[in-house]
Amino acid sequence: AQSVTQLDSQVPVFEEAPVELRCNYSSSVSVYLFWYVQYPNQGLQLLLKYLSGSTLVKGINGFEAEFNKSQTSFHLRKPSVHISDTAEYFCAVISLSGGYNKLIFGAGTRLAVHP
Amino acid sequence: GAVVSQHPSRVICKSGTSVKIECRSLDFQATTMFWYRQFPKQSLMLMATSNEGSKATYEQGVEKDKFLINHASLTLSTLTVTSAHPEDSSFYICSARAGGKKNTGELFFGEGSRLTVL
Repeated sequence: AQSVTQLDSQVPVFEEAPVELRCNYSSSVSVYLFWYVQYPNQGLQLLLKYLSGSTLVKGINGFEAEFNKSQTSFHLRKPSVHISDTAEYFCAVISLSGGYNKLIFGAGTRLAVHP
Repeated sequence: GAVVSQHPSRVICKSGTSVKIECRSLDFQATTMFWYRQFPKQSLMLMATSNEGSKATYEQGVEKDKFLINHASLTLSTLTVTSAHPEDSSFYICSARAGGKKNTGELFFGEGSRLTVL
């Protein structure tokens, strides 16, 4: 069965500092990987996704992530964060087997950007 | 990009009543839709997967008689919370995957529906 582990439940950081949100997954087959952001009382917005090809994926709002198959990781990074990046971030995985390809989420990481 | 719309965004109901939440794909046909539930400050838990024209597949621990899912068309799925109780209060989010050649693996999410049962 597939699973997603987000190693940090909360990440506090100062404005304009770099940040890395960690995500590891487990799956016995190939996967698609996603990062979503959720602002309070709102739905999910896709930041970026890895389906195939280049392992370095660039997304919206200056975020990027790198797929590392050997370490089964898909960490999210941003070189300089803004106050507006304060939100909940979810890593998610779809295993490419079986019929319905369910999207499974990690527990989430709360990014808190301080001035 | 593809748009998924949920309605209502917020609903308050009395204990014992039933509530229906709609999920629509506005500019694509969604052969598969997923329903998630999110408790405060927690992650999204998959409740069920629905395919157009067939019965939904429920995750372990989800009561199918309580959470009725209907995927009657390629653009609409509904979640009905029957005989709602305060413990059913939660944020419900749907997502949809495009069918056929438009299937890129990506899921598109609705804005979520916050249910409060008094």
